[in-house]
Amino acid sequence: GDSVTQMEGPVTLSEEAFLTINCTYTATGYPSLFWYVQYPGEGLQLLLKATKADDKGSNKGFEATYRKETTSFHLEKGSVQVSDSAVYFCALWGSGSARQLTFGSGTQLTVLP
Amino acid sequence: EAGVTQSPTHLIKTRGQQATLRCSPISGHTSVYWYQQALGLGLQFLLWYDEGEERNRGNFPPRFSGRQFPNYSSELNVNALELEDSALYLCASSLSGTGNTEAFFGQGTRLTVV
Repeated sequence: GDSVTQMEGPVTLSEEAFLTINCTYTATGYPSLFWYVQYPGEGLQLLLKATKADDKGSNKGFEATYRKETTSFHLEKGSVQVSDSAVYFCALWGSGSARQLTFGSGTQLTVLP
Repeated sequence: EAGVTQSPTHLIKTRGQQATLRCSPISGHTSVYWYQQALGLGLQFLLWYDEGEERNRGNFPPRFSGRQFPNYSSELNVNALELEDSALYLCASSLSGTGNTEAFFGQGTRLTVV
């Protein structure tokens, strides 16, 4: 079945540091890939998405590129802020009929001033 | 436009009782998904409803059940509550059909079983 493997956390960075959170996936066909963010005490918000190979999703300074050859969708940001502190989830939407979002385990990011 | 709304935001129940959680999808969305997020764990898929029918079910016991109403809102019922059912329950909605779409999540219902 589909699966998502996400970089273990927690990750602690200083403000303005570069962020990379690794995500790799296993799926049949051509899944859509997502990054969701969960701020403390809240639900999930869609951060960005990519629906086909070589697509780059971007939002709020975050970027991720759909790499089919390496089955990866790593999240990057050039300069993190304290307000980026949250849990980040990589997810895929399978292309089969049993449609469901499969999530990675989440990465806790803390940005220090 | 209103997002996905869930009620109640918090729910405290005693072991053995039943809990009912509600979800209203975004207008125009016919698919509703339920996920469980236990403390320290990731999101576990529970149920998917579309056009009033249960389309897929995660690896949870039968005491987790639900339904989708004609207006596409949904209810999750958890019977014979156990302490380990304590978790954040998230509902999401999306357009129906396959292809490129995305799911939008509500704020969740925090269920505490004591």
